[in-house]
Amino acid sequence: DVKVTQSSRYLVKRTGEKVFLECVQDMDHENMFWYRQDPGLGLRLIYFSYDVKMKEKGDIPEGYSVSREKKERFSLILESASTNQTSMYLCASSTAGTGGLGYTFGSGTRLTVV
Amino acid sequence: DAKTTQPTSMDCAEGRAANLPCNHSTISGNEYVYWYRQIHSQGPQYIIHGLKNNETNEMASLIITEDRKSSTLILPHATLRDTAVYYCIVRVASTNRDDKIIFGKGTRLHILP
Repeated sequence: DVKVTQSSRYLVKRTGEKVFLECVQDMDHENMFWYRQDPGLGLRLIYFSYDVKMKEKGDIPEGYSVSREKKERFSLILESASTNQTSMYLCASSTAGTGGLGYTFGSGTRLTVV
Repeated sequence: DAKTTQPTSMDCAEGRAANLPCNHSTISGNEYVYWYRQIHSQGPQYIIHGLKNNETNEMASLIITEDRKSSTLILPHATLRDTAVYYCIVRVASTNRDDKIIFGKGTRLHILP
């Protein structure tokens, strides 16, 4: 069964810590995405990558960075975690050139920053 | 990508058809309509998509008006497991690099027993 795997389901970190959220996909997809989801705000795109070592900002990149050293892995980095980054983080991947079709999502990481 | 407008929430009785509307009055000729849904504590899941003809698959039917300015997702016999947030998305079908989806807030569908 093809899938997108996020390394942690729940995570609690302290303010100021550097946080790494890992996402791995086994579908050989070119595109990978990080979203965050907050009540009343829906899903918001943080960063996406359409190729190894390539990245583009989404709608809310501030306070985040990403890394894509291998095709199957896309990491989201919170350089200095803050309480307003407490959220559900969702990773997704898709095949290039398919527009809005065939996004596959991970189960999410619920991050709490205290 | 064209903007979409969906009701914030809807209720439907179990066993009845759930009809979820979506307005996309600024849709352009090469943009498809996609529907995803997100069940609680899971990532969104693709349901169906279409360009101008009505579409049906094992999960749902998609009815697109002739002027393509609105569409309706139909779940023919809703069950409690269909309780979820449903996202209507409009975008071009095939690009090389700009494949990102902007999801919006969607419609929260409650299936009532």
